[in-house]
Amino acid sequence: EDQVTQSPEALRLQEGESSSLNCSYTVSGLRGLFWYRQDPGKGPEFLFTLYSAGEEKEKERLKATLTKKESFLHITAPKPEDSATYLCAVGRGSGGSNYKLTFGKGTLLTVNP
Amino acid sequence: EAQVTQNPRYLITVTGKKLTVTCSQNMNHEYMSWYRQDPGLGLRQIYYSMNVEVTDKGDVPEGYKVSRKEKRNFPLILESPSPNQTSLYFCASSFSGYNEQFFGPGTRLTVL
Repeated sequence: EDQVTQSPEALRLQEGESSSLNCSYTVSGLRGLFWYRQDPGKGPEFLFTLYSAGEEKEKERLKATLTKKESFLHITAPKPEDSATYLCAVGRGSGGSNYKLTFGKGTLLTVNP
Repeated sequence: EAQVTQNPRYLITVTGKKLTVTCSQNMNHEYMSWYRQDPGLGLRQIYYSMNVEVTDKGDVPEGYKVSRKEKRNFPLILESPSPNQTSLYFCASSFSGYNEQFFGPGTRLTVL
């Protein structure tokens, strides 16, 4: 059974205080690891896709990295507007005929001014 | 504007009364999916569809039905809703399952 575990469950930072969120996963046949941001009452918004160990992607203050067992979302010098729930998801496909996505429970990030 | 739309956005119903939540996308995406989000349980996949007439179960399909007769639409059907199906539901679409998914605004369902 696919498993995705995110830690910490909640993180409170001061503006400018850099940190990292963790996503550890167990899946056979990983076909992609996704990071999403979700604001209260809204649908998740796509941030990154990583496909293979060693891959890194950056967007503004966010940088995502991937190993064979986990992914990190690094937040550099966060601002209050970065406050949100960050979701990690892994995709598993078999034979190109189906594609199932499993989400972690998320990390609630609060950035105080 | 590229988007995923869901209707209704809010629904209060009673146990056993059949209902349908519609989902439509205007991006010509092949992959569509339904999720439910519950406090403490996160986002869980109900059903997904790789293309027209191709659907498959996610992690929590019990009590739900779907159909994909057209590429742009993927309705979620609750034949006999029960209180444990009270949840926030999201529809999503992508070019294929391997790409970023675009999520709809959500449907908050309460079953009394």
